[in-house]
Amino acid sequence: DTAVSQTPKYLVTQMGNDKSIKCEQNLGHDTMYWYKQDSKKFLKIMFSYNNKELIINETVPNRFSPKSPDKAHLNLHINSLELGDSAVYFCASSQDRGEQFFGPGTRLTVL
Amino acid sequence: AQSVTQPDIHITVSEGASLELRCNYSYGATPYLFWYVQSPGQGLQLLLKYFSGDTLVQGIKGFEAEFKRSQSSFNLRKPSVHWSDAAEYFCAVGSSLSSNTGKLIFGQGTTLQVKP
Repeated sequence: DTAVSQTPKYLVTQMGNDKSIKCEQNLGHDTMYWYKQDSKKFLKIMFSYNNKELIINETVPNRFSPKSPDKAHLNLHINSLELGDSAVYFCASSQDRGEQFFGPGTRLTVL
Repeated sequence: AQSVTQPDIHITVSEGASLELRCNYSYGATPYLFWYVQSPGQGLQLLLKYFSGDTLVQGIKGFEAEFKRSQSSFNLRKPSVHWSDAAEYFCAVGSSLSSNTGKLIFGQGTTLQVKP
């Protein structure tokens, strides 16, 4: 069974479009995260939710909006996509903010 | 400010040789420390972690790391590298404080290439 899953795995879209990435974890964890990995493989946290409450909100453009319908899901919606949004987005989860388990990533390409 | 430095961007070792990947951190309190591995096109897998206690920690796949507070280091080691170890390795630091949000600061990564 996949612990942290993301859909889609690949996402190719045009500038200006709106898209969503979904994340689900079946580990029973209480905290979920979104990270962005750029073309140089640098990983940076974007958001974190603990029990559906936003606890980390880094300096991310407000075109990015996370939504956590329940503890097992954390989705990322991106409005008005720009070329610079092209990256790999990773979802992760943890219990009590301990070690984090990562999903397989979603490669977003904006044309 | 918290930061993590992996001084070696790229390392090449021969299969069977020993490996050490360096990680230095800057953090105001006792950190939580992690090493993750990322194979091409894959997510990150936790190799090992240090929260407290014994400063030499054992991980999966034969890896170990040693926390040296005086040197602000958490270097990853493996006595004999296998071709399947070729991947990207990330060191990360988190907070041990009660106010911990779970935020991890990652280093830039080290690409490991293994020669046959």
